[in-house]
Amino acid sequence: NAGVTQTPKFQVLKTGQSMTLQCAQDMNHEYMSWYRQDPGMGLRLIHYSVGAGITDQGEVPNGYNVSRSTTEDFPLRLLSAAPSQTSVYFCASSTNSGSSYNEQFFGPGTRLTVL
Amino acid sequence: AQKITQTQPGMFVQEKEAVTLDCTYDTSDPSYGLFWYKQPSSGEMIFLIYQGSYDQQNATEGRYSLNFQKARKSANLVISASQLGDSAMYFCAMSPSGYSTLTFGKGTMLLVSP
Repeated sequence: NAGVTQTPKFQVLKTGQSMTLQCAQDMNHEYMSWYRQDPGMGLRLIHYSVGAGITDQGEVPNGYNVSRSTTEDFPLRLLSAAPSQTSVYFCASSTNSGSSYNEQFFGPGTRLTVL
Repeated sequence: AQKITQTQPGMFVQEKEAVTLDCTYDTSDPSYGLFWYKQPSSGEMIFLIYQGSYDQQNATEGRYSLNFQKARKSANLVISASQLGDSAMYFCAMSPSGYSTLTFGKGTMLLVSP
């Protein structure tokens, strides 16, 4: 049981390049989310999904796309990288408990630098 | 919309002492959950403790307890008998009932000295 995995661990891009951050979970969780962490800002929600084929925007969605074709995978696409997207990206998953207890299981993170 | 406020950017404590990390929140949802996560220097997010808004008793998990004061909208984390390994960033977060995502505070950096 690997939990939530993210690839790559580190990535350096040039402004204008595109790339996809991969996220996969093997816990059969319905919910998956992407957060970005910037110094002094905590974690902020980019996009999330409540099931295959269903995605929605979070607090900071601009410049990012997501899709969810399977329960296991939730890739995050940067369409045209900008220096403002330099950040640490976390993917998380959780089950649908039907209550307020929805512990998020986090991946190890991807550190992205855009030059 | 939810908001989490952590007013202490950094806290210092000596080993074996207790420390309280402050967290206040704002929400109009009647049912919600409050969470604390630890992020050591290695970067991973570690779940520590959860408190439901309708829970009658304060949550405890080993050396961690959550001082929940609903009327004051506060959910402070208390770490008893601090250890050097407790040095980390600590995040308070919340989620309305039935939602799948968290709103985080900006975090408090805790340093434990020998």
